[in-house]
Amino acid sequence: ETGVTQTPRHLVMGMTNKKSLKCEQHLGHNAMYWYKQSAKKPLELMFVYNFKEQTENNSVPSRFSPECPNSSHLFLHLHTLQPEDSALYLCASSPGILYGYTFGSGTRLTVV
Amino acid sequence: KNEVEQSPQNLTAQEGEFITINCSYSVGISALHWLQQHPGGGIVSLFMLSSGKKKHGRLIATINIQEKHSSLHITASHPRDSAVYICAVIPDAGGTSYGKLTFGQGTILTVHP
Repeated sequence: ETGVTQTPRHLVMGMTNKKSLKCEQHLGHNAMYWYKQSAKKPLELMFVYNFKEQTENNSVPSRFSPECPNSSHLFLHLHTLQPEDSALYLCASSPGILYGYTFGSGTRLTVV
Repeated sequence: KNEVEQSPQNLTAQEGEFITINCSYSVGISALHWLQQHPGGGIVSLFMLSSGKKKHGRLIATINIQEKHSSLHITASHPRDSAVYICAVIPDAGGTSYGKLTFGQGTILTVHP
């Protein structure tokens, strides 16, 4: 374990389902991130939270809804997803921009 | 064209060989990361550097800010080094926006016994 825990590790959901991804860190980091990794494409930043405030939304569709109730937890709520949203979703945290990032193991999402 | 380009995209080596993976970027940066991703998806941060050279065990990372280029070297490669190696930069945009990592497409390394 890296110190950033993501659950679940695998998720299969239908296009009409609602599900949530969870990310937890107890490293004392102030910034948390959601990244998406699709097949054959570089990692893409989705959202950034700094001290529980969203500071970046990288033009992500509204069917992805992040939530950061405290600096240790980050959620990604999913609803009415499309098959092309199938990807690996990675959470990361960092003390700050010029410090190293710690990544979770990711959630492998399949939308059917 | 991606702001971060890695080469080669695929690399196959025999155990014991010296390996070099290259990363070129087209923007000014604050720092550059080398990341390792194993099958299954988890990512480990290997290095973060903004100048010069860093070494950790058999891994060496160098960066030339003027040439906008970084290399990751693996000495005495081993099958357990097989993974995807990803270069990522933090563009020097100024301000206080966090998490602006821009990623290369990754280099798939396979080391055979």
